[in-house]
Amino acid sequence: DTEVTQTPKHLVMGMTNKKSLKCEQHMGHRAMYWYKQKAKKPPELMFVYSYEKLSINESVPSRFSPECPNSSLLNLHLHALQPEDSALYLCASSQGTRFEQFFGPGTRLTVL
Amino acid sequence: GEDVEQSLFLSVREGDSSVINCTYTDSSSTYLYWYKQEPGAGLQLLTYIFSNMDMKQDQRLTVLLNKKDKHLSLRIADTQTGDSAIYFCAESIDGGATNKLIFGTGTLLAVQP
Repeated sequence: DTEVTQTPKHLVMGMTNKKSLKCEQHMGHRAMYWYKQKAKKPPELMFVYSYEKLSINESVPSRFSPECPNSSLLNLHLHALQPEDSALYLCASSQGTRFEQFFGPGTRLTVL
Repeated sequence: GEDVEQSLFLSVREGDSSVINCTYTDSSSTYLYWYKQEPGAGLQLLTYIFSNMDMKQDQRLTVLLNKKDKHLSLRIADTQTGDSAIYFCAESIDGGATNKLIFGTGTLLAVQP
């Protein structure tokens, strides 16, 4: 299995909802990442997990809460989001943080 | 700063070669990458080059690296309509225990039939 999967593909939520994005990989990678990408812009790094520990948090607001339950799974819990948080959320994984990253297809999030 | 610059748009005819350019910032970057993103999709890793190399060829793709000028380019030979996409270069920044990728601004490649 050489891919990163993400669910759901699309998500529409209100500002008072709580939802979660999920990411999974079975390549034995020990680093996993969340990125946010706005239209016509490059991806912006949000979080890095290395060996299931959070190693980088790029000053992301606390309404985004990452979780790495095991080496194959990465979640992003969402609560009290704002309309400006609408974007494509990309997950990636790599053997380690010094290796090439492989991306999932993304979750298109719309906050109403 | 950490700005990685690319030209916004490139239009070529099918069968021609395309050259996408990138200027990066960190001279200590060990790896430089090219990713392709089709509309509504994630990023696909196309190729990468180690900083001690000048050139890398992989089928239709040729990567050239000029470390002195911090300039990276991607040449696509015999460009096809399926190559139409946004192309991002990325540099790997040494963050101590954890490296991270800094992406370029992206180049939209439009291939005319």
